[in-house]
Amino acid sequence: EIVLTQSPGTLSLSPGERATLSCRASQSVSSSFLAWYQQKPGQAPRLLIYGASSRATDVPDRFSGSGSGTDFTLTISRLEPEDFAVYYCQQYGSSLYTFGQGTKLEIK
Amino acid sequence: EVQLVESGGGFVKPGGSLRLSCAASGFTFTNAWMSWVRQAPGKGLEWVGRIRSKADGGTADYAAPVKGTFTISRDDSKNTLYLQMNTLKTEDTAVYYCTWLIGFSFRYWGQGTLVTVSS
Repeated sequence: EIVLTQSPGTLSLSPGERATLSCRASQSVSSSFLAWYQQKPGQAPRLLIYGASSRATDVPDRFSGSGSGTDFTLTISRLEPEDFAVYYCQQYGSSLYTFGQGTKLEIK
Repeated sequence: EVQLVESGGGFVKPGGSLRLSCAASGFTFTNAWMSWVRQAPGKGLEWVGRIRSKADGGTADYAAPVKGTFTISRDDSKNTLYLQMNTLKTEDTAVYYCTWLIGFSFRYWGQGTLVTVSS
């Protein structure tokens, strides 16, 4: 089973700043199989990025995904107040899906 | 508009059973691969299992912690997904989300239903 490790666990930034979230896999992951989600308190997760770099429907272009192999990154170019939430990466492999433990993005 | 509405959650004692339902609308359910994802209180997301469309075999795959005790099924005539949970343990306490799996990601999510396993 591929393990995804997200860092940092908590990221404290101010609106307008750039956020860089990391997701590292224990084995190589096909870029096609890597996704990112946003979850706000009391809400279901929302798909942001699939295929490592493709934005889902209605996702603002300040969100971007990149990476390959074992290292993937979610970047939020300029933080808006509504972006403060928990972010999860997710991968698919060998008929199994796994999630990272999450990065909490909080207001500084 | 895609809608996924879960129901059937509640309080159950360890060793008990529960069946969750997910009513789908706004898309062609027959062709969809569907999945369940759960989230224990204050914890991260955990994939539970998925079921293929009937055209792709209709079979299901499960995560190791629930294999043999949980069963995913579907009724395409009712646009409904099910999760039968047997021999429940306290560690199965979670919000259970129904999701529409497109490609290799969980594209749409329901609002979730809470299952509490406690004596």
